[in-house]
Amino acid sequence: SQQGEEDPQALSIQEGENATMNCSYKTSINNLQWYRQNSGRGLVHLILIRSNEREKHSGRLRVTLDTSKKSSSLLITASRAADTASYFCATDSYYGNNRLAFGKGNQVVVIP
Amino acid sequence: EAGVAQSPRYKIIEKRQSVAFWCNPISGHATLYWYQQILGQGPKLLIQFQNNGVVDDSQLPKDRFSAERLKGVDSTLKIQPAKLEDSAVYLCASSLRGRENTEAFFGQGTRLTVV
Repeated sequence: SQQGEEDPQALSIQEGENATMNCSYKTSINNLQWYRQNSGRGLVHLILIRSNEREKHSGRLRVTLDTSKKSSSLLITASRAADTASYFCATDSYYGNNRLAFGKGNQVVVIP
Repeated sequence: EAGVAQSPRYKIIEKRQSVAFWCNPISGHATLYWYQQILGQGPKLLIQFQNNGVVDDSQLPKDRFSAERLKGVDSTLKIQPAKLEDSAVYLCASSLRGRENTEAFFGQGTRLTVV
């Protein structure tokens, strides 16, 4: 089964607002990664957070990880129209042969 | 640095035909992944290689899908015979490999339509 399950609802926000999406997973992990996919394109890596980290920042991105709740959140601050995309979390679990497994994704639309 | 190359970009075949996809990963990347992404869903891992060995193929439908990685570099994914439900984008990715999976770099994918 897939590791990583994002909240299924799509998100539509105005440019300049913040966007938050969540991801939960089932088994212990080495790390959790977030990727972005623009329509019809391949996935692009955004940020990786290790199991011993609780928060990480990269530019306008902020990721948190709560291993006790097996969940992560991705916050995009001051959103731009170019942030319109699907966002996926992926988990690297040392159970299940260390495979990199993706969740279902969250569609974000930023309205200019 | 050249990215992950995949070909073809698009393929249309009839059900029961066979098809093959090719992937050339980033030079020096030990780990290679094949994912299937059905429209509106997240990528589903089909097979993961570490050099030329298989790390995980638990979700690969082995009665019709096969994959190999030649000399730990290029890889091909084959479907024989194809079914309508195989219509999807097939994504190849590669990463450096230490003790855990690190940043994966994705190709543009091959969009397969089975009619």
